[in-house]
Amino acid sequence: GAGVSQSPSNKVTEKGKDVELRCDPISGHTALYWYRQSLGQGLEFLIYFQGNSAPDKSGLPSDRFSAERTGGSVSTLTIQRTQQEDSAVYLCASSTGGGISYEQYFGPGTRLTVT
Amino acid sequence: AQRVTQPEKLLSVFKGAPVELKCNYSYSGSPELFWYVQYSRQRLQLLLRHISRESIKGFTADLNKGETSFHLKKPFAQEEDSAMYYCALTPNSNYQLIWGAGTKLIIKP
Repeated sequence: GAGVSQSPSNKVTEKGKDVELRCDPISGHTALYWYRQSLGQGLEFLIYFQGNSAPDKSGLPSDRFSAERTGGSVSTLTIQRTQQEDSAVYLCASSTGGGISYEQYFGPGTRLTVT
Repeated sequence: AQRVTQPEKLLSVFKGAPVELKCNYSYSGSPELFWYVQYSRQRLQLLLRHISRESIKGFTADLNKGETSFHLKKPFAQEEDSAMYYCALTPNSNYQLIWGAGTKLIIKP
């Protein structure tokens, strides 16, 4: 069946521009997660959605980062006024329920390069 | 602070040899620990979790609370085991995962 999809797969943007990254979770998955992976590093938790609500935004690195989820499905991660340190792979994952008991299924990621 | 350390960025072993990927963690409570794997051109996927106490693709991992370790082991490595391996923990049995930087495992023929 269809897995988690993310778009675009690659994004190159100029410093100072805004970008939007999209995640389509597996149908029926209520929980959705965003992670960031910088070169040579492990994944860094950004935000967690349960339905359309984000009970935990603690991982967002600055107020330039925001995310929303609509219809309990698609999520968009927006980075405003991008900086070079935002360059990373952004991964989305979804699961059937919230909580670590539920396996997270990952998308292929969006590679963001800020020049 | 909670932290997961994978001391080896790269591990290379011959096919048929035993393999051990090290993972150490820093957490004062009772964590749940996981190993994730990413094969070439594939997505990150769960390999195993300590609470399941299962063996997946011949891999096992034992939680050693005294040494705060969760090393991943396989007695006889196969070429298809070549991949990036990430150790992760959840500190509060909730949803947030804290990740190690990963170990690239290369199995030489």
